[in-house]
Amino acid sequence: KNEVEQSPQNLTAQEGEFITINCSYSVGISALHWLQQHPGGGIVSLFMLSSGKKKHGRLIATINIQEKHSSLHITASHPRDSAVYICAVRGIQGAQKLVFGQGTRLTINP
Amino acid sequence: DVKVTQSSRYLVKRTGEKVFLECVQDMDHENMFWYRQDPGLGLRLIYFSYDVKMKEKGDIPEGYSVSREKKERFSLILESASTNQTSMYLCASSLTVGSSPGANVLTFGAGSRLTVL
Repeated sequence: KNEVEQSPQNLTAQEGEFITINCSYSVGISALHWLQQHPGGGIVSLFMLSSGKKKHGRLIATINIQEKHSSLHITASHPRDSAVYICAVRGIQGAQKLVFGQGTRLTINP
Repeated sequence: DVKVTQSSRYLVKRTGEKVFLECVQDMDHENMFWYRQDPGLGLRLIYFSYDVKMKEKGDIPEGYSVSREKKERFSLILESASTNQTSMYLCASSLTVGSSPGANVLTFGAGSRLTVL
């Protein structure tokens, strides 16, 4: 079993829909990251959080430390949101290292 | 903006060749990382460095070495490339663990897609 599990692996939706991507982890963490990777390879850091909720534009990330679970939400989705979204956790020990989920491939159709 | 620049976007090499992948960051970050990304396996850490001339093995260091002679540059070396090293290689950097807002946030390069024939 992977330490970081994302669901779903693939998600296709229509423009305007509310999107939720989930991340569950099995280890104690000091922080959780959400990353976005567009076709062509470049990865952008969206959020780093250790508790509660963060919002940036149409993106919202939440984390529940007790349940070891985080969600990434996209409101009013747009085709330009199509990308792979990756969850990664930073452990308490070895704090420089991240453990990555497999990624969720999101496709938003116009 | 922090910029992490990888020297080559695409490389094609032959089995047994020595391969250098260069990564340069311009924001004085202490930490630099090399990952490889393969379908179904996600990102896996090869090596990282938290200071000049310091390096630590990641999860899959076999077949690789690294060099960090200057703070801004972190090189990944494949001494004798093999076909199973065909992959996308991603460099990243971050400020050290600490309380500043940008600490621990990774900034990635655009990636280097290596094909070993």
